[in-house]
Amino acid sequence: AQSVAQPEDQVNVAEGNPLTVKCTYSVSGNPYLFWYVQYPNRGLQFLLKYITGDNLVKGSYGFEAEFNKSQTSFHLKKPSALVSDSALYFCAVRDAGSNYQLIWGAGTKLIIKP
Amino acid sequence: SQTIHQWPATLVQPVGSPLSLECTVEGTSNPNLYWYRQAAGRGLQLLFYSVGIGQISSEVPQNLSASRPQDRQFILSSKKLLLSDSGFYLCAWSDGTASGNTIYFGEGSWLTVV
Repeated sequence: AQSVAQPEDQVNVAEGNPLTVKCTYSVSGNPYLFWYVQYPNRGLQFLLKYITGDNLVKGSYGFEAEFNKSQTSFHLKKPSALVSDSALYFCAVRDAGSNYQLIWGAGTKLIIKP
Repeated sequence: SQTIHQWPATLVQPVGSPLSLECTVEGTSNPNLYWYRQAAGRGLQLLFYSVGIGQISSEVPQNLSASRPQDRQFILSSKKLLLSDSGFYLCAWSDGTASGNTIYFGEGSWLTVV
């Protein structure tokens, strides 16, 4: 069965420290992987995606994610956290055979403390 | 550039009343369109998706229905709302012609059924 797991319900990081939000997946075929961010009472915003190519993907707001096929992971990272990065982060995966649907993780709440 | 508009942003409706949420996309043609519901500020549930005018796929049997009367218009409806229909509803679109395409979200509509 296809699935996406975000093992941490909440991640707390001090401002200025590096942050990592974890995501693992299980899909058949080659995965298309996505990260989105959601600020309170707002819609989801696209951050970055991995389709093919370089395993390190750079996205919006200084975020990047590393695709690791052997570990079936796609962790979101940022070298230096900002208080404004505090939000809800979603990982998602699309089966390469589907053009319509994403399988969503449960979301990780990221809290950056000053 | 493409934009997505969703309205109303908030509404409070009594149990048993009808519902109509509207969504339009500008700057693209023949998009895939989606309605999601987000309960308790976390998990995303795909309700409906559409790959063309009049083509609606339902993911979850429920009290809601969707229609696509025009290429870039997507409407979520209910004839009689239930308390359990309360939640945050998100319209989204993706490029219908590209594989591995990104889904872009509107700002969402808060529905409270009382």
